[in-house]
Amino acid sequence: QQQVKQSPQSLIVQKGGISIINCAYENTAFDYFPWYQQFPGKGPALLIAIRPDVSEKKEGRFTISFNKSAKQFSLHIMDSQPGDSATYFCAAQNTGNQFYFGTGTSLTVIP
Amino acid sequence: GAGVSQSPSNKVTEKGKDVELRCDPISGHTALYWYRQSLGQGLEFLIYFQGNSAPDKSGLPSDRFSAERTGGSVSTLTIQRTQQEDSAVYLCASSFVPDTQYFGPGTRLTVL
Repeated sequence: QQQVKQSPQSLIVQKGGISIINCAYENTAFDYFPWYQQFPGKGPALLIAIRPDVSEKKEGRFTISFNKSAKQFSLHIMDSQPGDSATYFCAAQNTGNQFYFGTGTSLTVIP
Repeated sequence: GAGVSQSPSNKVTEKGKDVELRCDPISGHTALYWYRQSLGQGLEFLIYFQGNSAPDKSGLPSDRFSAERTGGSVSTLTIQRTQQEDSAVYLCASSFVPDTQYFGPGTRLTVL
């Protein structure tokens, strides 16, 4: 059973556009929601994260929007660049420090 | 500073053989996680070590999989009698605080 559902599976965006990736969860015990960026041949790297006590967090061009009542959260990449082309994973952590990951979104930013 | 390292980077083995994958976490990190990443899939949790506590083994897919962490540092993931479905990238992550994981580059395992 997939604890965190992620969409879309792949995304193609023009340079300068906005990339949006969505995730949904069911377990209300989750209390930490990170996003990871993974380049080919590398391990995932933490990009940005949010806790459920806030509805939005912004770091540079990256923003997480969090809707606690809908149990959904999304990553927005503003002014997308070719260097942003990578696979993005959302995740959720429960109080037992266990992480559950989405299935990933392959983002391609076209110059 | 040094990040999480894993060895080998690639491992090709024959079905039925045992393999050992190694993870060197960041010095001082008390938590260590193992994940499996299959092609086109997300990260599947395998096992979690936290300090001297008993590990959380709830993600290990079968009794062919085991892991240990010696001296609270280096960890070894062992897969016995490997099967073709074990082919995947095995990722290790460590953390000092519970929420910030640092991942290694992974070991790509191919079972022929």
